[in-house]
Amino acid sequence: ILNVEQSPQSLHVQEGDSTNFTCSFPSSNFYALHWYRWETAKSPEALFVMTLNGDEKKKGRISATLNTKEGYSYLYIKGSQPEDSATYLCAFEPTGNQFYFGTGTSLTVIP
Amino acid sequence: DGGITQSPKYLFRKEGQNVTLSCEQNLNHDAMYWYRQDPGQGLRLIYYSQIVNDFQKGDIAEGYSVSREKKESFPLTVTSAQKNPTAFYLCASTYRTLTDTQYFGPGTRLTVL
Repeated sequence: ILNVEQSPQSLHVQEGDSTNFTCSFPSSNFYALHWYRWETAKSPEALFVMTLNGDEKKKGRISATLNTKEGYSYLYIKGSQPEDSATYLCAFEPTGNQFYFGTGTSLTVIP
Repeated sequence: DGGITQSPKYLFRKEGQNVTLSCEQNLNHDAMYWYRQDPGQGLRLIYYSQIVNDFQKGDIAEGYSVSREKKESFPLTVTSAQKNPTAFYLCASTYRTLTDTQYFGPGTRLTVL
């Protein structure tokens, strides 16, 4: 079983602050890296799929970068809003057959 | 509305009983997946199926069984051989490969008493 680590485990920020979290994965084999947002009492929702080293993806105030050579991805949220409060999961895909999920970063945005 | 449904939302069973969790999708997706979540751990893959009548074990398949008789349905049976079945179970599907967007159901929380 591959080890995918996310940090920090939890984060509390004030409304309007920008924040970022990290997903670390083994750099030996790489197929894709996924980010999901999981709000309480809802299903996880896909944010980004990243497949190339140096990829940058953006969706509104949320963006992500990927470094496959060193084995990490960053997720950035600009100007956090209370509705951004959720757990953010990353999932590493080494071969195209299976996901390996991190434990997630729980974000709370305080109004 | 298109989506994935899982039922029931909460399930209680006595130790030693088999229990089947339902997962249905009307997205016309080929591939379906079952994950388990435990406190402090990431989602772990139990089984997946890329086409009807075919499925593969994930990392933690012991004590579980699945079937894929219809494209829309991928039920998971938690057998009495599963040593620690109490957990949150999530079903997901994708159109064809994992790099396609993966859609998740709302989950079933199973408690074995």
